[in-house]
Amino acid sequence: DVKVTQSSRYLVKRTGEKVFLECVQDMDHENMFWYRQDPGLGLRLIYFSYDVKMKEKGDIPEGYSVSREKKERFSLILESASTNQTSMYLCASSGGQGNDQPQHFGDGTRLSIL
Amino acid sequence: QKEVEQNSGPLSVPEGAIASLNCTYSDRVSQSFFWYRQYSGKSPELIMSIYSNGDKEDGRFTAQLNKASQYVSLLIRDSQPSDSATYLCAVKSGSSNTGKLIFGQGTTLQVKP
Repeated sequence: DVKVTQSSRYLVKRTGEKVFLECVQDMDHENMFWYRQDPGLGLRLIYFSYDVKMKEKGDIPEGYSVSREKKERFSLILESASTNQTSMYLCASSGGQGNDQPQHFGDGTRLSIL
Repeated sequence: QKEVEQNSGPLSVPEGAIASLNCTYSDRVSQSFFWYRQYSGKSPELIMSIYSNGDKEDGRFTAQLNKASQYVSLLIRDSQPSDSATYLCAVKSGSSNTGKLIFGQGTTLQVKP
């Protein structure tokens, strides 16, 4: 079974802090993704990575950055946290020949910025 | 026009009935299609993948794909209260080689005992 592990289920931070969300997958997947999910807005892609050290902006990259130094780990960084970044953050990974395999999600991190 | 569209619902069905969830997509060259189930407060979990026109059955779930009409549907037979969740349709663009999926907003299903 694919295992995608997010470092925290719940996190509370203060405005202006630099926040790190970590994600690790154990399936040697090439692709990793960060989403946020808010009521009524669905899943929105923040950033994704298709290889080590490679990254592409998703639909809402502003205020975020990412790091992928090792294949199994993909980090999301909130450079200076703001209250409008309070949300559920979901990490996913996928791989396979032709890149037509589904994404598998971690359990999510519910982040509150006070 | 949204790339992947779903009726947000809620879709309400009685226990034991067939629930029919529909999804349309705009990219004609899309190749891979997925259905996810998401319980409130939880992360999405994959329930079905379909790549070819026609039906694909897995237990009480049947995915149906019609590429000519650009729609994919999910049927849930003998619906149970535990099926109450939001169902997300996801489509992989034919032009993407990075595994990126386009998700619909999801349809909320309520199965009433």
